[in-house]
Amino acid sequence: EMQLLESGGGLVQPGGSLRLSCAASGFIFSNYAMSWVRQAPGKGLEWVSSISGAGIGTYYADSVKGRFTISRDNSKNTLYLEKNSLRAEDTAVYYCVTVGSGWSFGVWGKGTTVTVSS
Amino acid sequence: EIVMTQSPATLSVSPGERATLSCRASQSVSSNLAWYQQKPGQAPRLLIYGASTRATGVPARFSGSGSGTEFTLTISSLQSEDFAVYYCQQYNNWPLTFGPGTKVDIK
Repeated sequence: EMQLLESGGGLVQPGGSLRLSCAASGFIFSNYAMSWVRQAPGKGLEWVSSISGAGIGTYYADSVKGRFTISRDNSKNTLYLEKNSLRAEDTAVYYCVTVGSGWSFGVWGKGTTVTVSS
Repeated sequence: EIVMTQSPATLSVSPGERATLSCRASQSVSSNLAWYQQKPGQAPRLLIYGASTRATGVPARFSGSGSGTEFTLTISSLQSEDFAVYYCQQYNNWPLTFGPGTKVDIK
């Protein structure tokens, strides 16, 4: 069974940094592009970033470009999201997601909560 | 950026009834459209991709149709477990974008 487990969320001050991790199991991790999708409290879904299976291609939403960096370690079956210059509007549940057909989102983790507040 | 809109915002349906949800794209996304279901406190779940292909394990009462800019998700006979929020998402262009969601609740 494909499983994704996010970690690294928490409370951080505005301007601070945080690194999210996502441990994958039950599938050949390097065969899948991966993404991060977030959901602010009481709001809808927002795509954040995606990375190709080999880690060569990376894509970002304009709202995070230049502040967030997506990466992966295929030897550790782990996806990362490095977040810098955090803002209150980055407060959300962050989901780690496999990329399915095209760039749809196949398997979702349970999410990790990031709160940006002083 | 392709803007996705969904209607209605809320749909009140009785169990056993048919539900029809709409999704519109601001420009053509071909058939590169997915639907997701999200229940309270849970992660979303992929229902449909390619506008009309059911994901693994999705019951046959869920069906998707459309192409270009107009799409529909139909739930043929609502079950109690189907009351949730449904999102559409286009993956034809970067950035990937979601609609605001349709909440299906019990009438």
